[in-house]
Amino acid sequence: NAGVTQTPKFRVLKTGQSMTLLCAQDMNHEYMYWYRQDPGMGLRLIHYSVGEGTTAKGEVPDGYNVSRLKKQNFLLGLESAAPSQTSVYFCASRTGGKVTEAFFGQGTRLTVV
Amino acid sequence: AQSVTQPDIHITVSEGASLELRCNYSYGATPYLFWYVQSPGQGLQLLLKYFSGDTLVQGIKGFEAEFKRSQSSFNLRKPSVHWSDAAEYFCAVGNGNSGNTPLVFGKGTRLSVIA
Repeated sequence: NAGVTQTPKFRVLKTGQSMTLLCAQDMNHEYMYWYRQDPGMGLRLIHYSVGEGTTAKGEVPDGYNVSRLKKQNFLLGLESAAPSQTSVYFCASRTGGKVTEAFFGQGTRLTVV
Repeated sequence: AQSVTQPDIHITVSEGASLELRCNYSYGATPYLFWYVQSPGQGLQLLLKYFSGDTLVQGIKGFEAEFKRSQSSFNLRKPSVHWSDAAEYFCAVGNGNSGNTPLVFGKGTRLSVIA
């Protein structure tokens, strides 16, 4: 059982380049989330989705876009990467309709130079 | 709005000593509370959760936490720490009245274990 899988695990981008991070979950979860983790800042929510075809902004959405075309996938896009987006990105998912624990992927370490 | 405070950024304990990590939450209704652990280079793993009922909950790896409504706290404890417990620990709160609201995480407490 793979759980939540993030692709890629590491990436180095040049300023201004674009990229897409992929999150895939095989638990049939309704809700999916993208967080970034920076030293001393904890986990900050970027965007989230409560179902296929729906997305919403979190705490730090600027510079990112997301799409949830399929229930099992949640894509995070950076249109024009900036050094401030250097971070570790985590995807999470959980069952919908009630409060349950979230399951996390292993993270993507992104460096923007 | 919900919020979570973990007052201790970094704690160092000796192997075999007891541990308590603090978590305070701000939330008007019944909170759903979680503790996660993150080992270096890894994702977050659930240690335990509290939804209702007995205020002392047991988790994996010998951890427990106690919900104290009067103090708005959900502190994590372990009677005897092992070197492998060195990691970052996150407390999180969920909105019991709105299942689709994302969990809110504290900034984390980094635990170091010395011999």
